[in-house]
Amino acid sequence: SQQGEEDPQALSIQEGENATMNCSYKTSINNLQWYRQNSGRGLVHLILIRSNEREKHSGRLRVTLDTSKKSSSLLITASRAADTASYFCATGSYNTDKLIFGTGTRLQVFP
Amino acid sequence: AAGVIQSPRHLIKEKRETATLKCYPIPRHDTVYWYQQGPGQDPQFLISFYEKMQSDKGSIPDRFSAQQFSDYHSELNMSSLELGDSALYFCASSGRGGTTWGYTFGSGTRLTVV
Repeated sequence: SQQGEEDPQALSIQEGENATMNCSYKTSINNLQWYRQNSGRGLVHLILIRSNEREKHSGRLRVTLDTSKKSSSLLITASRAADTASYFCATGSYNTDKLIFGTGTRLQVFP
Repeated sequence: AAGVIQSPRHLIKEKRETATLKCYPIPRHDTVYWYQQGPGQDPQFLISFYEKMQSDKGSIPDRFSAQQFSDYHSELNMSSLELGDSALYFCASSGRGGTTWGYTFGSGTRLTVV
Protein backbone atom coordinates (compact mmCIF):
# COMPACT_ATOMS: atom_id res chain seq x y z
CA SER A 1 0.00 0.00 0.00
CA GLN A 2 1.08 3.57 -0.61
CA GLN A 3 0.31 4.62 2.91
CA GLY A 4 -0.12 1.88 5.42
CA GLU A 5 -1.60 -1.31 6.55
CA GLU A 6 -4.87 -2.36 8.01
CA ASP A 7 -5.41 -5.28 10.27
CA PRO A 8 -6.87 -7.68 10.35
CA GLN A 9 -7.04 -8.32 6.62
CA ALA A 10 -10.20 -10.32 7.19
CA LEU A 11 -12.61 -10.55 10.10
CA SER A 12 -15.58 -12.86 10.60
CA ILE A 13 -18.07 -12.30 13.41
CA GLN A 14 -21.65 -13.06 14.38
CA GLU A 15 -24.45 -10.52 14.26
CA GLY A 16 -24.59 -8.48 17.43
CA GLU A 17 -20.87 -8.68 18.07
CA ASN A 18 -18.54 -5.72 17.80
CA ALA A 19 -15.99 -5.43 15.01
CA THR A 20 -12.71 -3.58 15.43
CA MET A 21 -10.44 -2.71 12.53
CA ASN A 22 -7.08 -1.01 12.80
CA CYS A 23 -5.18 1.19 10.41
CA SER A 24 -1.60 2.36 10.50
CA TYR A 25 -0.11 5.07 8.33
CA LYS A 26 3.32 6.42 7.54
CA THR A 27 3.22 10.17 6.95
CA SER A 28 1.94 13.27 8.72
CA ILE A 29 -1.75 13.73 8.15
CA ASN A 30 -4.41 16.40 8.22
CA ASN A 31 -7.22 13.92 8.71
CA LEU A 32 -8.06 10.26 8.47
CA GLN A 33 -11.22 8.91 6.88
CA TRP A 34 -12.93 5.55 6.77
CA TYR A 35 -14.73 4.24 3.71
CA ARG A 36 -16.86 1.18 3.13
CA GLN A 37 -16.99 -0.83 -0.08
CA ASN A 38 -19.44 -3.54 -0.92
CA SER A 39 -18.05 -6.15 -3.28
CA GLY A 40 -17.17 -4.59 -6.62
CA ARG A 41 -19.04 -1.39 -5.80
CA GLY A 42 -18.09 2.20 -5.10
CA LEU A 43 -16.60 3.50 -1.89
CA VAL A 44 -18.89 5.16 0.60
CA HIS A 45 -17.58 7.75 3.03
CA LEU A 46 -18.32 6.77 6.64
CA ILE A 47 -16.55 9.13 8.97
CA LEU A 48 -13.70 11.63 9.11
CA ILE A 49 -11.49 12.42 12.08
CA ARG A 50 -9.13 15.39 12.10
CA SER A 51 -5.56 15.19 13.29
CA ASN A 52 -6.36 17.22 16.39
CA GLU A 53 -9.20 14.91 17.40
CA ARG A 54 -8.79 11.68 19.34
CA GLU A 55 -12.22 10.09 19.09
CA LYS A 56 -15.36 10.50 17.05
CA HIS A 57 -18.74 8.80 16.97
CA SER A 58 -21.35 8.40 14.28
CA GLY A 59 -24.25 6.06 15.00
CA ARG A 60 -22.78 2.61 15.60
CA LEU A 61 -19.34 3.75 14.47
CA ARG A 62 -16.56 4.86 16.77
CA VAL A 63 -13.21 6.03 15.41
CA THR A 64 -10.08 6.73 17.38
CA LEU A 65 -6.90 8.37 16.21
CA ASP A 66 -3.47 8.24 17.84
CA THR A 67 -1.15 10.49 15.88
CA SER A 68 1.82 9.60 18.07
CA LYS A 69 1.49 5.99 16.98
CA LYS A 70 0.24 6.89 13.50
CA SER A 71 -2.73 4.60 13.94
CA SER A 72 -6.51 4.62 13.93
CA SER A 73 -9.21 2.16 14.78
CA LEU A 74 -12.78 1.75 13.59
CA LEU A 75 -15.25 0.06 15.91
CA ILE A 76 -18.63 -1.08 14.63
CA THR A 77 -20.90 -1.94 17.52
CA ALA A 78 -23.81 -4.40 17.42
CA SER A 79 -22.88 -5.52 13.92
CA ARG A 80 -25.47 -6.58 11.36
CA ALA A 81 -25.25 -8.86 8.35
CA ALA A 82 -25.64 -5.74 6.19
CA ASP A 83 -22.31 -4.47 7.58
CA THR A 84 -20.56 -7.15 5.52
CA ALA A 85 -18.16 -5.22 3.29
CA SER A 86 -14.54 -4.11 2.96
CA TYR A 87 -13.49 -1.17 5.07
CA PHE A 88 -10.65 1.14 4.08
CA CYS A 89 -8.91 3.90 5.93
CA ALA A 90 -7.60 6.83 3.90
CA THR A 91 -5.41 9.72 4.94
CA GLY A 92 -5.36 13.31 3.81
CA SER A 93 -2.37 15.55 4.20
CA TYR A 94 -1.91 19.29 4.37
CA ASN A 95 -0.34 19.95 1.00
CA THR A 96 -2.53 17.90 -1.31
CA ASP A 97 -6.17 17.04 -1.85
CA LYS A 98 -5.55 13.41 -2.69
CA LEU A 99 -6.40 10.61 -0.30
CA ILE A 100 -4.08 7.69 0.25
CA PHE A 101 -5.82 4.43 1.02
CA GLY A 102 -4.78 1.57 3.27
CA THR A 103 -5.07 -2.07 2.33
CA GLY A 104 -8.54 -2.66 3.73
CA THR A 105 -10.24 -5.12 6.05
CA ARG A 106 -12.83 -7.56 4.73
CA LEU A 107 -15.59 -7.91 7.31
CA GLN A 108 -18.04 -10.79 7.18
CA VAL A 109 -20.98 -10.67 9.57
CA PHE A 110 -22.92 -13.92 9.86
CA PRO A 111 -26.63 -13.80 10.72
CA ALA B 1 -29.57 13.74 -4.60
CA ALA B 2 -27.27 13.67 -7.60
CA GLY B 3 -24.19 11.54 -7.17
CA VAL B 4 -21.00 11.09 -9.13
CA ILE B 5 -21.84 9.46 -12.44
CA GLN B 6 -19.38 7.26 -14.25
CA SER B 7 -19.74 5.72 -17.65
CA PRO B 8 -19.62 3.12 -18.88
CA ARG B 9 -20.22 0.76 -15.97
CA HIS B 10 -18.49 -2.09 -17.73
CA LEU B 11 -16.01 -2.11 -20.59
CA ILE B 12 -14.27 -4.95 -22.36
CA LYS B 13 -11.33 -4.14 -24.59
CA GLU B 14 -8.61 -6.09 -26.32
CA LYS B 15 -4.92 -5.60 -25.73
CA ARG B 16 -3.45 -2.56 -27.46
CA GLU B 17 -6.88 -0.95 -27.83
CA THR B 18 -7.90 2.42 -26.42
CA ALA B 19 -10.51 3.14 -23.78
CA THR B 20 -12.15 6.34 -22.57
CA LEU B 21 -13.80 6.54 -19.17
CA LYS B 22 -16.06 9.43 -18.24
CA CYS B 23 -16.89 11.00 -14.91
CA TYR B 24 -19.57 13.57 -14.10
CA PRO B 25 -19.02 15.10 -10.64
CA ILE B 26 -21.62 16.30 -8.21
CA PRO B 27 -22.86 19.76 -9.24
CA ARG B 28 -20.72 22.55 -7.80
CA HIS B 29 -17.89 20.16 -7.00
CA ASP B 30 -14.78 21.54 -8.68
CA THR B 31 -12.27 18.78 -7.93
CA VAL B 32 -12.19 15.37 -9.56
CA TYR B 33 -9.99 12.42 -8.62
CA TRP B 34 -9.30 9.17 -10.47
CA TYR B 35 -8.39 5.94 -8.69
CA GLN B 36 -7.54 2.48 -9.95
CA GLN B 37 -8.39 -0.60 -7.89
CA GLY B 38 -7.05 -3.98 -8.94
CA PRO B 39 -8.66 -7.22 -7.71
CA GLY B 40 -8.30 -7.46 -3.95
CA GLN B 41 -6.23 -4.28 -3.86
CA ASP B 42 -6.68 -0.90 -2.25
CA PRO B 43 -7.55 2.07 -4.47
CA GLN B 44 -4.47 3.67 -6.00
CA PHE B 45 -4.50 7.38 -6.77
CA LEU B 46 -3.96 8.20 -10.44
CA ILE B 47 -4.59 11.89 -11.00
CA SER B 48 -6.73 14.82 -9.89
CA PHE B 49 -8.03 18.05 -11.35
CA TYR B 50 -9.10 21.30 -9.76
CA GLU B 51 -10.84 23.93 -11.86
CA LYS B 52 -9.84 22.12 -15.06
CA MET B 53 -6.15 22.10 -14.18
CA GLN B 54 -4.21 19.04 -13.08
CA SER B 55 -3.70 19.40 -9.34
CA ASP B 56 -1.89 16.21 -8.42
CA LYS B 57 -0.49 13.15 -10.08
CA GLY B 58 0.06 9.68 -8.73
CA SER B 59 1.02 6.36 -10.22
CA ILE B 60 -0.56 6.98 -13.61
CA PRO B 61 1.15 5.27 -16.56
CA ASP B 62 2.34 7.42 -19.44
CA ARG B 63 -0.15 5.52 -21.62
CA PHE B 64 -2.97 7.17 -19.67
CA SER B 65 -4.05 10.77 -19.90
CA ALA B 66 -6.90 12.69 -18.38
CA GLN B 67 -8.51 16.09 -18.49
CA GLN B 68 -11.30 18.07 -16.91
CA PHE B 69 -13.61 20.01 -19.17
CA SER B 70 -15.37 23.37 -18.80
CA ASP B 71 -18.50 21.66 -17.42
CA TYR B 72 -16.23 19.95 -14.82
CA HIS B 73 -16.72 16.48 -16.17
CA SER B 74 -13.53 14.49 -16.60
CA GLU B 75 -12.32 11.82 -18.98
CA LEU B 76 -9.59 9.24 -18.48
CA ASN B 77 -8.05 8.09 -21.73
CA MET B 78 -6.15 4.84 -21.75
CA SER B 79 -4.14 3.72 -24.76
CA SER B 80 -2.16 0.61 -25.67
CA LEU B 81 -4.14 -1.33 -23.11
CA GLU B 82 -2.44 -4.17 -21.30
CA LEU B 83 -3.90 -7.13 -19.44
CA GLY B 84 -2.70 -5.56 -16.19
CA ASP B 85 -4.92 -2.55 -16.76
CA SER B 86 -7.94 -4.68 -15.92
CA ALA B 87 -9.34 -3.07 -12.80
CA LEU B 88 -12.09 -0.98 -11.31
CA TYR B 89 -11.61 2.69 -12.09
CA PHE B 90 -13.23 5.08 -9.68
CA CYS B 91 -13.87 8.74 -10.01
CA ALA B 92 -14.57 10.90 -6.97
CA SER B 93 -15.45 14.53 -6.60
CA SER B 94 -15.28 17.10 -3.84
CA GLY B 95 -15.40 20.80 -3.20
CA ARG B 96 -12.06 22.49 -2.69
CA GLY B 97 -10.26 20.98 0.26
CA GLY B 98 -11.81 17.63 -0.41
CA THR B 99 -9.70 15.80 2.08
CA THR B 100 -11.15 18.02 4.76
CA TRP B 101 -14.68 16.82 4.18
CA GLY B 102 -14.44 13.53 2.34
CA TYR B 103 -14.94 12.46 -1.22
CA THR B 104 -18.04 11.22 -2.99
CA PHE B 105 -17.18 8.28 -5.18
CA GLY B 106 -18.92 7.07 -8.30
CA SER B 107 -19.87 3.44 -8.75
CA GLY B 108 -16.85 2.83 -10.91
CA THR B 109 -16.08 1.47 -14.36
CA ARG B 110 -14.98 -2.12 -14.50
CA LEU B 111 -12.45 -2.45 -17.31
CA THR B 112 -11.55 -5.89 -18.56
CA VAL B 113 -8.70 -6.20 -21.03
CA VAL B 114 -8.62 -9.49 -22.93
